[in-house]
Amino acid sequence: AQSVTQLDSQVPVFEEAPVELRCNYSSSVSVYLFWYVQYPNQGLQLLLKYLSGSTLVKGINGFEAEFNKSQTSFHLRKPSVHISDTAEYFCAVRARSKAAGNKLTFGGGTRVLVKP
Amino acid sequence: ETGVTQSPTHLIKTRGQQVTLRCSSQSGHNTVSWYQQALGQGPQFIFQYYREEENGRGNFPPRFSGLQFPNYSSELNVNALELDDSALYLCASSLDQGASGNTIYFGEGSWLTVV
Repeated sequence: AQSVTQLDSQVPVFEEAPVELRCNYSSSVSVYLFWYVQYPNQGLQLLLKYLSGSTLVKGINGFEAEFNKSQTSFHLRKPSVHISDTAEYFCAVRARSKAAGNKLTFGGGTRVLVKP
Repeated sequence: ETGVTQSPTHLIKTRGQQVTLRCSSQSGHNTVSWYQQALGQGPQFIFQYYREEENGRGNFPPRFSGLQFPNYSSELNVNALELDDSALYLCASSLDQGASGNTIYFGEGSWLTVV
């Protein structure tokens, strides 16, 4: 079984400032890692994913995340946020097996509010 | 635009009633799963269908059931609705059960309110 903890439920940040959203996970098996964004009244959009290789992953809209196996973390960062980045962000994991299928385990989400 | 469409977008039901939610997967995707997202929480996995067979289920009671059709569209059925079933229901599709980390695409969801 897997579990995901997003350490901050809300993160207020000023426009053009950097932001970091923290994600820690627990799993007895190797996992893939994902960050999704959910804009108000919308579904989930994939920001980026870590499958293998370089631990620094770049995604859409200027976001990047770093996988740290020893700390079982996958923190999301953006060097300069825009008002349009106001949204809820979800970290998720999926076991590395075909049997796991589409089963994503999500964290509770971090609400980012970008202030002018 | 993910290519995953869901209907209806919003609906209100009375406790004890039954509801059917529908999902059209992205073209060619043979795997569909459903998630429940309660207000202020992350999505919770309900179940998955692969080539018309259920092959994975989360911690949800049997009154949550589903179907996947030959064209890979899908339905989520919930019987004997309870107030706690009020949530956003998300459909997600991928190719071949998300093998090798294939991207999983989500629809915009169906908002269910049980009164």
